[in-house]
Amino acid sequence: GENVEQHPSTLSVQEGDSAVIKCTYSDSASNYFPWYKQELGKRPQLIIDIRSNVGEKKDQRIAVTLNKTAKHFSLHITETQPEDSAVYFCAASKGYSTLTFGKGTMLLVSP
Amino acid sequence: GAGVSQSPSNKVTEKGKDVELRCDPISGHTALYWYRQSLGQGLEFLIYFQGNSAPDKSGLPSDRFSAERTGGSVSTLTIQRTQQEDSAVYLCASSLSQGAGGELFFGEGSRLTVL
Repeated sequence: GENVEQHPSTLSVQEGDSAVIKCTYSDSASNYFPWYKQELGKRPQLIIDIRSNVGEKKDQRIAVTLNKTAKHFSLHITETQPEDSAVYFCAASKGYSTLTFGKGTMLLVSP
Repeated sequence: GAGVSQSPSNKVTEKGKDVELRCDPISGHTALYWYRQSLGQGLEFLIYFQGNSAPDKSGLPSDRFSAERTGGSVSTLTIQRTQQEDSAVYLCASSLSQGAGGELFFGEGSRLTVL
């Protein structure tokens, strides 16, 4: 089955800096790659997703890039703010399969 | 309700006891998922229900775990003879779409502590 690796496990940045979280996947047939954000004590929520027919997608301060050849995708957050502090999960799936999640990255943005 | 509802929010039990966790999905969502979240282990898939199809049970860690979905709506996850390693947050999610591309809407989770 699919295997998703996520790095780093923790990431500390200063407010205003950029943050990058990287994920790799094993199944070349995977075609859907969402990112979920989980604030402390809250439920995970979808923040952005990308499909395999697109190389990059942007939504305000967040962007996701996909490299199908290398089987990796990344989340980029620019101009980080304290409210960006959370655990971020990448995931991958194909067809009618369920999502396989990475182990998460704890992002801490210091004022 | 407006979102996915789970109960209980917290459950403390003794080793060897059975527990039941309940999930009320968003009305009209045909897909329902159970995930387990342990510290540092991410979101571990347990089981998936889609309409009237046979559930995908491939993620259940042992035969002590089972789940039902009655009438295509409410789901119950049952853990028999609980062990300390079962301690985790159990998250339920529902989705309008089947398969890839369907946003998962998560509940707040049920935190299980096995003493």
